[in-house]
Amino acid sequence: RKEVEQDPGPFNVPEGATVAFNCTYSNSASQSFFWYRQDCRKEPKLLMSVYSSGNEDGRFTAQLNRASQYISLLIRDSKLSDSATYLCVVPPMNYGGSQGNLIFGKGTKLSVKP
Amino acid sequence: TAGITQAPTSQILAAGRSMTLRCTQDMRHNAMYWYRQDLGLGLRLIHYSNTAGTTGKGEVPDGYSVSRANTDDFPLTLASAVPSQTSVYFCASSWGGNTEAFFGQGTRLTVV
Repeated sequence: RKEVEQDPGPFNVPEGATVAFNCTYSNSASQSFFWYRQDCRKEPKLLMSVYSSGNEDGRFTAQLNRASQYISLLIRDSKLSDSATYLCVVPPMNYGGSQGNLIFGKGTKLSVKP
Repeated sequence: TAGITQAPTSQILAAGRSMTLRCTQDMRHNAMYWYRQDLGLGLRLIHYSNTAGTTGKGEVPDGYSVSRANTDDFPLTLASAVPSQTSVYFCASSWGGNTEAFFGQGTRLTVV
């Protein structure tokens, strides 16, 4: 299994729809996870952190399934402005040692249509 | 506004020339990173630094060098640019470990 794997999409959904993305990871010792949002030609920006079983922020819910080693991002009532690429991020296991890098998935592209 | 700043925003560079991409953060973060992003390949780590005075190689370090003389600055140097180094380069910083990273606005580099 790759370190972090995402469905690249694109996911094309109508406004108001509910959409979910999954991200699988290989390091069973990972303790925290992140979802980033990246707009076209812009830098990635933190959307949500997931430190335990899940996190909710308005229309966005992130869930963690440690047994199956995946995290998900659920977007309810999709808006046009939600169109972006969503990156799943897993920190390194051996932080403070030789490894210092976050591990990014390649991203899932979401396009919300009127 | 506090954050992380990259310069230049974009650059066209002749093959064989050298160039330094600048990155400065004012959040006093311990760790800094350089990524390149190419279509279909996602973000790939070039070099990183866990703390001032130390650096490490990432996934794609060849052709690039970095230094970390102080906490705030983490320049990336291309000694002799090649067309395959055409990419968007992002600098990022974090407290390290299991903490989120903050990104600069990116440098769009074209090597011709």
